[in-house]
Amino acid sequence: GENVEQHPSTLSVQEGDSAVIKCTYSDSASNYFPWYKQELGKRPQLIIDIRSNVGEKKDQRIAVTLNKTAKHFSLHITETQPEDSAVYFCAASGAAGNKLTFGGGTRVLVKP
Amino acid sequence: DAGVIQSPRHEVTEMGQEVTLRCKPISGHNSLFWYRQTMMRGLELLIYFNNNVPIDDSGMPEDRFSAKMPNASFSTLKIQPSEPRDSAVYFCASRTGTTDRDTQYFGPGTRLTVL
Repeated sequence: GENVEQHPSTLSVQEGDSAVIKCTYSDSASNYFPWYKQELGKRPQLIIDIRSNVGEKKDQRIAVTLNKTAKHFSLHITETQPEDSAVYFCAASGAAGNKLTFGGGTRVLVKP
Repeated sequence: DAGVIQSPRHEVTEMGQEVTLRCKPISGHNSLFWYRQTMMRGLELLIYFNNNVPIDDSGMPEDRFSAKMPNASFSTLKIQPSEPRDSAVYFCASRTGTTDRDTQYFGPGTRLTVL
């Protein structure tokens, strides 16, 4: 089945700097890659996703890139703010496109 | 829309007791997922249903865990007997369709503590 690795496990940045989280996946047939944000004590919430027919997608300060050849995708947060502090999860949808496999999560701390 | 509803939000029980977690998916959603989240193992998919039918239960840890979806608006996850290592946050999520063309929406979770 699908295996998703996520790095780093923790990331501390200064407010205003950029944050980058990287994920690799194992199933070359995967074609859907969402990112979820989970604030402390809350549920995971989708913040952005990308499908295999595009290489990059942007939504305000958040962008995701996908390299299908290398089987990796990344989340980029620019101009970080304290409210960006949370745990971020990447995920990949397997060949059947029915279920998600999540990475281990990255705890992001934005220092004011 | 009320979103995915889970109950109870917190459950504290003693080892050996039966625990039942409940989930009401978003109306009109056809897929339902049960996840478990722990610090050690992260977010794990336990089981998912399409149109009330269990599709993949390979993530269910052992026979002590069972899940049902008797109709489109209700699902349960049961642990019998419970053990301290079952302590975790259990999330239910639902999705409009049966493939990942659609977003999964998570419920608020049930924090289970087994003493």
